[in-house]
Amino acid sequence: DAKTTQPPSMDCAEGRAANLPCNHSTISGNEYVYWYRQIHSQGPQYIIHGLKNNETNEMASLIITEDRKSSTLILPHATLRDTAVYYCIVFGHQGGKLIFGQGTELSVKP
Amino acid sequence: DAGVIQSPRHEVTEMGQEVTLRCKPISGHNSLFWYRQTMMRGLELLIYFNNNVPIDDSGMPEDRFSAKMPNASFSTLKIQPSEPRDSAVYFCASILWGGSEGYTFGSGTRLTVV
Repeated sequence: DAKTTQPPSMDCAEGRAANLPCNHSTISGNEYVYWYRQIHSQGPQYIIHGLKNNETNEMASLIITEDRKSSTLILPHATLRDTAVYYCIVFGHQGGKLIFGQGTELSVKP
Repeated sequence: DAGVIQSPRHEVTEMGQEVTLRCKPISGHNSLFWYRQTMMRGLELLIYFNNNVPIDDSGMPEDRFSAKMPNASFSTLKIQPSEPRDSAVYFCASILWGGSEGYTFGSGTRLTVV
């Protein structure tokens, strides 16, 4: 079973920041937080991951709370092409398996 | 790199026929995963391999499904005999453990069993 809780849907205005929350209160010390997104009809796409520190790459920023029980994915300037289902997943790196929940359907509107 | 390559992109077959889906992982990746996606059940992990060895096939729905990875650059998922409820999009993904990114997914095979 997925170990994360995400809102089923969110809207965001084009050009504004999209902040997608995720709760993972049962995360273990050796588990990472991963974010993927799936644009309609395509395979899931890796966005970013982190263990305890905040992370940033060319796609997004990941903010993880100090107790690691929740995190937020930030798309700083959302575009229409960011409309997708966003999945927050926790798992370890010891050859673990990525289990997807239902994700958050983000709609970016003009 | 061309990414994870799956074939065919679309497959329509009649109930009872054998179906073979193919996947070429990214060169150098050491794990490969097969997923199935439907509207009702979302993305489900079927089976995964580490270094070409099947590690966990607990997600394979029944004996009609089988998967092989004869070498590091090729894997197949076979359904025999196929049934209409097998209609779904099947994704293959690969990863290099210890690398800087997560799984890379292919574009999927959309299977329709009529």
